[in-house]
Order: sequence, then C-alpha cells, then structure tokens
Amino acid sequence: AQSVTQLGSHVSVSEGALVLLRCNYSSSVPPYLFWYVQYPNQGLQLLLKYTSAATLVKGINGFEAEFKKSETSFHLTKPSAHMSDAAEYFCAVRNYGGATNKLIFGTGTLLAVQP
Amino acid sequence: NAGVTQTPKFQVLKTGQSMTLQCAQDMNHEYMSWYRQDPGMGLRLIHYSVGAGITDQGEVPNGYNVSRSTTEDFPLRLLSAAPSQTSVYFCASSGRVARNTGELFFGEGSRLTVL
Repeated sequence: AQSVTQLGSHVSVSEGALVLLRCNYSSSVPPYLFWYVQYPNQGLQLLLKYTSAATLVKGINGFEAEFKKSETSFHLTKPSAHMSDAAEYFCAVRNYGGATNKLIFGTGTLLAVQP
Repeated sequence: NAGVTQTPKFQVLKTGQSMTLQCAQDMNHEYMSWYRQDPGMGLRLIHYSVGAGITDQGEVPNGYNVSRSTTEDFPLRLLSAAPSQTSVYFCASSGRVARNTGELFFGEGSRLTVL
C-alpha cells in the first residue's frame, strides 16, 4: 500500500528564512507525488506535482520540490519565507497508471512564519 | 467558473439525525471523491466515484453513503449522525484517469458538528 509521512506537524521559520517541509513516501510502483497548501478556512490548492518527468519540480509562489528515489523523499522548499506562506501543507501520493485518481495524504505540516 | 461547489458550509446536527452534504462540479470531471479532515490525521478518503453509476469505498466509509446519478453531482449522506463524525468534509474531483496525473480540485469544505 502506498503512504506518505510528513516529518514535523509544526514548523516555524522567520520571515526571509529557508522553508523546508519534509515528505517521505512509500510505494511499490513509480509514484505521482503532490504538494497541496491549505490556507485558513479554505480548501486545498495544488502547489506542485511530480509526474516522472524532471526530478526538480517548480510550483506556484516560489516553492519547489525534488524527487529523490534513493531517499524516497519529496521535500518542499522555498528559499525565503513570506508572511503569506503561513498555512498547512499536505504531501500526497497516487498510483502511476492506477485505475483511479485516489490520492493518499500525509497528516500535514502547519507552517508558521514569524516577523 | 465555479469549479467544485459544496453545500452547506456549516451544519450542526444532533446525534441520530441524518443529512446530506451536496457536491457539484462543472468541469465535466469523471472522478469525484469525499475526504474528511481531522486535526493531526490529515485527509482520509471516505468514498469515491470514477464515473456516473460507479462508487467505491475509501479508508473510512462506515456511517456514510454515496451515489452518483450524474457526472456533476456526488452527494454524501450521513445515515445516523454520531459525534465521531464531527469533522470538515471536502469534496474533490479530477478529470479522466487515463488522460491526467490525478490532480484533484477541491471544494471549500463543509464543517459539520454533531452534538
């Protein structure tokens, strides 16, 4: 069965500092991987996705993630945090070539940005 | 472009009552799903559908019922509400499985409290 593990349920950074949110996946087949962001009282929005093309994926709002098969990781980074980045971030995985678009989500990481 | 629309946004029920959460999408998406979001547990899949007339269970289906009579609509029914069903519910959809990578589009959520 596929799964994702997000290390750190809460992460706090200073404005302008590097953001690093960790995600490790488990999959017996090549995965599709996603990062979603949820702002307070809103639904989830797609930040970026890995679909077996380039291993370094760039998303919206200056975020990027690198797929590392050897480490089974898909960590999310942003060079310089902004106050508007404060939100909850979810990593998700699905089957490549699966019969459905069923996504399995991690438990989420709440990012706080301090002024 | 409305995307995925959920109603109601807020609902309070008494234990034992039944209700239906509505979900409609106007993107002609084949795949639709319901998740519940609880603190520290991320999003867990309740039920999903790969097309009109086809539904299947996710991780946590007990106490919920779904049907898919049209491509656009995917209502979630709570048969006899319990306090354990207090949660935020998200409906999500995506296009035809074979033609896309499974990116989900989310509604804004329905916050349900069961007393």
